[in-house]
Amino acid sequence: SQLAEENSWALSVHEGESVTVNCSYKTSITALQWYRQKSGKGPAQLILIRSNEREKRNGRLRATLDTSSQSSSLSITATRCEDTAVYFCATDASSGSWQLIFGSGTQLTVMP
Amino acid sequence: GALVYQYPRRTICKSGTSMRMECQAVGFQATSVAWYRQSPQKTFELIALSTVNSAIKYEQNFTQEKFPISHPNLSFSSMTVLNAYLEDRGLYLCGGGQGNYEQYFGPGTRLTVL
Repeated sequence: SQLAEENSWALSVHEGESVTVNCSYKTSITALQWYRQKSGKGPAQLILIRSNEREKRNGRLRATLDTSSQSSSLSITATRCEDTAVYFCATDASSGSWQLIFGSGTQLTVMP
Repeated sequence: GALVYQYPRRTICKSGTSMRMECQAVGFQATSVAWYRQSPQKTFELIALSTVNSAIKYEQNFTQEKFPISHPNLSFSSMTVLNAYLEDRGLYLCGGGQGNYEQYFGPGTRLTVL
């Protein structure tokens, strides 16, 4: 079973709008990472948020982590067409493990 | 910055043949290397995790006999897909880590099996 899972398979927004991708996980974690994968490329890390952090920002990106509900969100403000990609959350398989478990991803399409 | 290169980027092989793919870490020491397969419409399946000075750990449904991996130093790893069949097609990703669960991914090797 998936240890990490995004809550939507696909989202569409228009350029300039904000969007949030959600993720839930099932085990205790050391950290949760958000990755973005554009077509034909490998995943690129966007944000790493540790279990003792509640929020992390990276430019137009903001990640939150709620360990009590075992959930995380990634918000993108002022979206651009180049934000179109599949967004994955990933957690360590067990606390402190180097093994990452990825969710199935959310396809985000930003339309002009 | 930390970069991971993978080659070849694309490869086509006949059913029943084998192919080797390579992974090069630049700008950091890849203490751990994880190989994943991303099949069409699926998320990442972890094949194995290789950590320096430890045995390579294969996940369920993946074996050393089918996917032998070499991790001879902190900047290089290779994996071979032996006797490839249709179900082995997909994007094979190499993720290099420094032992703090952050992984840097290469662009992947896309395997097509005819």
